[in-house]
Amino acid sequence: QKEVEQNSGPLSVPEGAIASLNCTYSDRGSQSFFWYRQYSGKSPELIMFIYSNGDKEDGRFTAQLNKASQYVSLLIRDSQPSDSATYLCAVNVRPNQAGTALIFGKGTTLSVSS
Amino acid sequence: NAGVTQTPKFQVLKTGQSMTLQCAQDMNHNSMYWYRQDPGMGLRLIYYSASEGTTDKGEVPNGYNVSRLNKREFSLRLESAAPSQTSVYFCASNPYRNTEAFFGQGTRLTVV
Repeated sequence: QKEVEQNSGPLSVPEGAIASLNCTYSDRGSQSFFWYRQYSGKSPELIMFIYSNGDKEDGRFTAQLNKASQYVSLLIRDSQPSDSATYLCAVNVRPNQAGTALIFGKGTTLSVSS
Repeated sequence: NAGVTQTPKFQVLKTGQSMTLQCAQDMNHNSMYWYRQDPGMGLRLIYYSASEGTTDKGEVPNGYNVSRLNKREFSLRLESAAPSQTSVYFCASNPYRNTEAFFGQGTRLTVV
C-alpha cells in the first residue's frame, strides 16, 4: 500500500510566525507533489505543486522537496488567521498498471492565533 | 465555467438502499477520481479512471462500483448502503497524470 504520512496536529502558531508542515511518502516512483488547503466544510484547493528537488516559492508559501529522503514540506511565512485550515499533502502514485492517481495524507490542522 | 459538478449535495439513505452519485467535468480532463473523507482520515481514494473507458480500484473500493460513462462523466454507485459509508464524497479530475486535481463541491451522505 502506497502511503502518504502527515502529522495531524493541531499545529498552533502566532500571527506573523512561520508555520512548517511536513509530509513523507512511500512510493519512490512518485514524480509530482501537491499541497492543498481545505477549510471546514469546503473542497480542497491547490496551494502549491512541486516536481523537482529543492525549493519552490510562491508569495508567502514555499514548498520543499527531497526525493532521496522522500520528504515534502510546506512553509508559510507571516502566517495569518486566514491561513487556519487543514493542509493536505498529495502525491502521485501508480496503484497498479492502469495509471497514476493522487493519494492524500490525513492532513495537518493549522491554527493561527491573532 | 462550472469545473467539476457533483449531484446531489446532500443525501440521507436507509441501510440497504442503493444510490448513484453523479460527477461531471467540463474541462476536457482525461482522469477522474472518487474520494471519501471521514473525520481525521484525510481523503481516501475509492476508484479512479485514468482515461475514458478504464476504471480501477483505489485504497477503499469495497462496497462501491463506478462507471465512466464518457469523458465528462464518472459516477459512483452504492448497491447496498451501510452506516460505514456515511462520509463526504469528493469527485476530482485532472487533465493527465502528474498534474493537479480539481475538486467538486462534495456530496455529504448519511446512511441511517
